[in-house]
Amino acid sequence: EVQLVESGGGLVKPGGSLRLSCVVSGFNFNYYSMNWVRQAPGKGLEWVSSIDSSSGYKYYADSVKGRFTISRDNANNSLYLQMNSLRVEDTAIYYCARDFALARMDVWGQGTTVTVSS
Amino acid sequence: AIQLTQSPSSLSASVGDRVTITCRASQGIRNDLVWFQQKPGKAPKLLIYVASTLQSGVPSRFSGSGSGTDFTLTISSLQPEDFATYFCLQDYNYPYTFGQGTKLEIK
Repeated sequence: EVQLVESGGGLVKPGGSLRLSCVVSGFNFNYYSMNWVRQAPGKGLEWVSSIDSSSGYKYYADSVKGRFTISRDNANNSLYLQMNSLRVEDTAIYYCARDFALARMDVWGQGTTVTVSS
Repeated sequence: AIQLTQSPSSLSASVGDRVTITCRASQGIRNDLVWFQQKPGKAPKLLIYVASTLQSGVPSRFSGSGSGTDFTLTISSLQPEDFATYFCLQDYNYPYTFGQGTKLEIK
């Protein structure tokens, strides 16, 4: 069974840092591009970042560029999102999602909640 | 960044109704358009990609069409489990952008 499990969310003060993880199973992680998508409370979806299978290409939303860093460890089937200089507006559920060929974001994790508040 | 505008923002319909949701892009995006369904407290679920390709396991009452700037998601006969929020996503270029969502409610 294909599974994506996020962790690392929590409560952090503005200006703080968090590192989110997404551990996958049930498929060969090495071959798939991955994404982070977030959803603020009661709001819509916002794409955050994407990374290709070999970490050669990384993309970011303007709202997080320079503060967030996406990475992956193919040996450990893990995707990461390092979040620095967190702002109140970064408060959201963060989902990781897999790309399968043309099927963009075909499998999602259950999400991890990040709350930025003083 | 490419903007996606969904309409309507909300919609009331009955079981058995035919429903159409529209997504308009601020510039041409070929057929690089994806549709998701999201239920409360759950992660989004992929329905359709490249505008009209049905994801495996998704019922055939869902269909997508369009190219360029105008796209539609159609549910041919609403079922109780279809009441949810629907989002479109353009993956034509980065930054990817989502539409604001369409909440489909029971009349």
